[in-house]
Amino acid sequence: AQSVTQLGSHVSVSEGALVLLRCNYSSSVPPYLFWYVQYPNQGLQLLLKYTTGATLVKGINGFEAEFKKSETSFHLTKPSAHMSDAAEYVCAVSDSRGRGNQFYFGTGTSLTVIP
Amino acid sequence: GAGVSQSPRYKVAKRGQDVALRCDPISGHVSLFWYQQALGQGPEFLTYFQNEAQLDKSGLPSDRFFAERPEGSVSTLKIQRTQQEDSAVYLCASSQGTSGTHEQYFGPGTRLTVT
Repeated sequence: AQSVTQLGSHVSVSEGALVLLRCNYSSSVPPYLFWYVQYPNQGLQLLLKYTTGATLVKGINGFEAEFKKSETSFHLTKPSAHMSDAAEYVCAVSDSRGRGNQFYFGTGTSLTVIP
Repeated sequence: GAGVSQSPRYKVAKRGQDVALRCDPISGHVSLFWYQQALGQGPEFLTYFQNEAQLDKSGLPSDRFFAERPEGSVSTLKIQRTQQEDSAVYLCASSQGTSGTHEQYFGPGTRLTVT
């Protein structure tokens, strides 16, 4: 089975500072990797995804993530935090084993942006 | 078009009652998933439909949980004789395809509280 680990359930950054949210996965087959964001009272929204090709992927709202196979990581970054980035961020992994695209999720990281 | 919708958004049930949770996926989406999210945890897979066929129900925690998607669109998750441990947010997601590369679109969830 796959698993996803998000280090740090709560992260605080100052407005304008770098955002780094960590995600590590375990998978015996090539993974497909996703980051979702959840604002209060809303559903999960896709930020970005990696399936194949370029390992650095860019998403919405200035976020990007890099797939590092050797480190089994898919950390999410943004150069400069905005107040509007305060939300819950969830990392998910799927795979290519063809049994439907069930997602395995991390426990989420709550991002606080300090003015 | 519209996104994934779920109803009700909130449900309070007394222990032992039956509940039914509805999911309206994005029109034309082949795949439909149900997840359970306990407080402070990431979503956990319950079951998967490809059109009307339930291809994976390995995540259903007990035989009190039952899901259906009779016409390949709307789905209902039913929980019989609810228990306190069933209290959670139930998320529905739909996907255009059946492979792990396709992103899942999530509804806002139904928060079930069993008293």
